Amino acid sequence: EPEVTQTPSHQVTQMGQEVILRCVPISNHLYFYWYRQILGQKVEFLVSFYNNEISEKSEIFDDQFSVERPDGSNFTLKIRSTKLEDSAMYFCASRTGGSTGELFFGEGSRLTVL
Amino acid sequence: AQSVAQPEDQVNVAEGNPLTVKCTYSVSGNPYLFWYVQYPNRGLQFLLKYITGDNLVKGSYGFEAEFNKSQTSFHLKKPSALVSDSALYFCAVRVNTGRRALTFGSGTRLQVQP
Repeated sequence: EPEVTQTPSHQVTQMGQEVILRCVPISNHLYFYWYRQILGQKVEFLVSFYNNEISEKSEIFDDQFSVERPDGSNFTLKIRSTKLEDSAMYFCASRTGGSTGELFFGEGSRLTVL
Repeated sequence: AQSVAQPEDQVNVAEGNPLTVKCTYSVSGNPYLFWYVQYPNRGLQFLLKYITGDNLVKGSYGFEAEFNKSQTSFHLKKPSALVSDSALYFCAVRVNTGRRALTFGSGTRLQVQP
């Protein structure tokens, strides 16, 4: 069964460092998302990406964040200068075209900022 | 704006008993509703969705949910709980305009006692 894969599974970084989280969505999916979850709490939307551009973003997704789909398979989330409060589990998700499809989530990348 | 409320942080039920996990929503327009389950240190797994049609939808692992438009609710149910159902359950909503991201509730921890 196809799945969304994420790397790394866990990353520890120093405050102020740049971090790139990588995702390989399911191959025939068209919509891509990043969500985050702090300490097993609420799942918060960050950004959605469709047709090679951001289609929606939340207030969390400020200038420190960026997304890219550089090669047609990978979908990356970059945090330019990490803060302590960026420590969370980051989930990538994807879905097919149309409006009714459910999201398929990866296993997540745990980011710890020290 | 769209939002989801899960009024119970935790639900405790004995194995073999029926379970209900509550969810209410608020959207402008017709909702698409979803339930996801999260096991410890894992990603979110899709359980079921309501798009249109029959108000009672059936999903994975024997779960079902009932859409109630007048009460703006989408409660998750199972006739007979298993210990292995113990997990974190998230309700999510999206309006039927296709490109909006899913908004998740705060989650309900289901604990099934043997």
